[in-house]
Amino acid sequence: SQQGEEDPQALSIQEGENATMNCSYKTSINNLQWYRQNSGRGLVHLILIRSNEREKHSGRLRVTLDTSKKSSSLLITASRAADTASYFCATDYGQNFVFGPGTRLSVLP
Amino acid sequence: DAGVTQSPTHLIKTRGQQVTLRCSPISGHKSVSWYQQVLGQGPQFIFQYYEKEERGRGNFPDRFSARQFPNYSSELNVNALLLGDSALYLCASSSGTRLETQYFGPGTRLLVL
Repeated sequence: SQQGEEDPQALSIQEGENATMNCSYKTSINNLQWYRQNSGRGLVHLILIRSNEREKHSGRLRVTLDTSKKSSSLLITASRAADTASYFCATDYGQNFVFGPGTRLSVLP
Repeated sequence: DAGVTQSPTHLIKTRGQQVTLRCSPISGHKSVSWYQQVLGQGPQFIFQYYEKEERGRGNFPDRFSARQFPNYSSELNVNALLLGDSALYLCASSSGTRLETQYFGPGTRLLVL
């Protein structure tokens, strides 16, 4: 299976703390993306990092990609209660697109 | 502009029946993809259509089929429903052939009894 893995499966932090989620995948990719999902509804695209990029920032989000280790991490800085959601990494293999199982983030006020 | 829309929002079927789910992409987007999300898991890729042609297919049986219309809307059909087909079905649209920034609809929740 090409499906990646995310860890941790669940993460609980206090408001203002940073949250780090990791994603691993198995074969060469075109790009890797992170999505957020609130309450089991539609997903929202957060950030895309291409296979030739190593780091990308968007607001309070920082994503890194290590193609030698086939892994990526998503850092959310200064978390807020509104960041409570499930976060998924997704890898583009060309004609297939694979989501990981997700990390459930709870940000406590 | 309206986002991706899906209909119906909820659906209850019995085993063996057939179901059709509908999706309208964001105006100007020519690519539609379908995903199945079982409770507690990540979405699984079913199909991608671009300009009415299938561009990608996930590991789903032939009971699953889809098509895209000239206005870029799409239908997903599932025949001979099984209990395991109960899931949230998500549609996403994007502007190009590559599965890059995708915009997801709210999904159709299907329950098979």
